[in-house]
Amino acid sequence: DAGVIQSPRHEVTEMGQEVTLRCKPISGHDYLFWYRQTMMRGLELLIYFNNNVPIDDSGMPEDRFSAKMPNASFSTLKIQPSEPRDSAVYFCASSLKGFLAKNIQYFGAGTRLSVL
Amino acid sequence: SQELEQSPQSLIVQEGKNLTINCTSSKTLYGLYWYKQKYGEGLIFLMMLQKGGEEKSHEKITAKLDEKKQQSSLHITASQPSHAGIYLCGADPNRPYGQNFVFGPGTRLSVLP
Repeated sequence: DAGVIQSPRHEVTEMGQEVTLRCKPISGHDYLFWYRQTMMRGLELLIYFNNNVPIDDSGMPEDRFSAKMPNASFSTLKIQPSEPRDSAVYFCASSLKGFLAKNIQYFGAGTRLSVL
Repeated sequence: SQELEQSPQSLIVQEGKNLTINCTSSKTLYGLYWYKQKYGEGLIFLMMLQKGGEEKSHEKITAKLDEKKQQSSLHITASQPSHAGIYLCGADPNRPYGQNFVFGPGTRLSVLP
């Protein structure tokens, strides 16, 4: 398996622009997670889905952030409008829940976002 | 909300030395996960501990969960430059075997050749 695939790997944009981050989870995994990592706040869970349904979005910082999972193999995290303080590395992870799978989350390589 | 604490924050060791990283929670941990992050990359799963007193090893890395299931340690024997990176512990502190992870702040390890 190719693992969790995120695109783009790097994104540089100007304040006010819309940013869309993409994620393809591992095939067969039923959970998908979006995280944000910054030096100040570390790794934070933003939202997670189970079977394409958002379960907990309490970590989403503002209404400017939205996430969708239209099918089992694709998810997006959108920021509109973007602000400089959104600059961070955004990770997507997926997992297969269950005793045998041990709920291990597998992470993508991340998208490094810079908002100028 | 519950947080995981890690110590030390950073560590610089000479190649060949042993080292220990700690992860502490004020709540009982039902599943504690250790990950490694190389600079500029995603997190790689290392080990998962569930039972009090449990110990697991992979190559030269050993992780333990204490009997109270509130503290875990990660021990590296005879460190190598390939061990360098950021080590993070993660768990869902609110319910057994949950998926709503919080992560510790990480321990940055440098291994000098």
